[in-house]
Amino acid sequence: DGGITQSPKYLFRKEGQNVTLSCEQNLNHDAMYWYRQDPGQGLRLIYYSQIVNDFQKGDIAEGYSVSREKKESFPLTVTSAQKNPTAFYLCASNNRANTGELFFGEGSRLTVL
Amino acid sequence: DQQVKQNSPSLSVQEGRISILNCDYTNSMFDYFLWYKKYPAEGPTFLISISSIKDKNEDGRFTVFLNKSAKHLSLHIVPSQPGDSAVYFCAASGTGANSKLTFGKGITLSVRP
Repeated sequence: DGGITQSPKYLFRKEGQNVTLSCEQNLNHDAMYWYRQDPGQGLRLIYYSQIVNDFQKGDIAEGYSVSREKKESFPLTVTSAQKNPTAFYLCASNNRANTGELFFGEGSRLTVL
Repeated sequence: DQQVKQNSPSLSVQEGRISILNCDYTNSMFDYFLWYKKYPAEGPTFLISISSIKDKNEDGRFTVFLNKSAKHLSLHIVPSQPGDSAVYFCAASGTGANSKLTFGKGITLSVRP
């Protein structure tokens, strides 16, 4: 079945460690996105990519990094520079860059101990 | 600056009655609006959308109304069912610099049996 797969679903990290969240899609979508959800904050855009080997910062990119080496993959690294990394992270993709319906993965819950 | 506002954090409705979820936006360049539904620890799923050339779009129990002059849209669910209990996000996009989806903070709907 086509869709977006995020892994791991739950992740614990010690302070000062980097961690990478995986996002893979087999929908043949050009654009991919990373959002962060915090209670009462809605969904905030971290990074997005419209095409392979290109990506742009979203509204809250500080402390995060991404890569887009393959069309189907868009991993997110939460670095030690991210001051408040505990959150629910959502990956999404769509067929038209930057607009239209987004298809979301199941999310990854990161907890920093 | 919050461009998409969902001012009520929660709504409780009796099963069988109508649920009305409201959303306001400030950016006049937005021309496409979507509603997403989200269960805890899952990714949001697309529910219904409306383009600015319309003022109403209906899909089964779900209807979205758009009032461009008031920069307001609403989602009506009739009749409400307990399975509708979830967080509902309003989102908007435009073109060019406004083409990324901007989400509201969400509203938690509880449908009482």
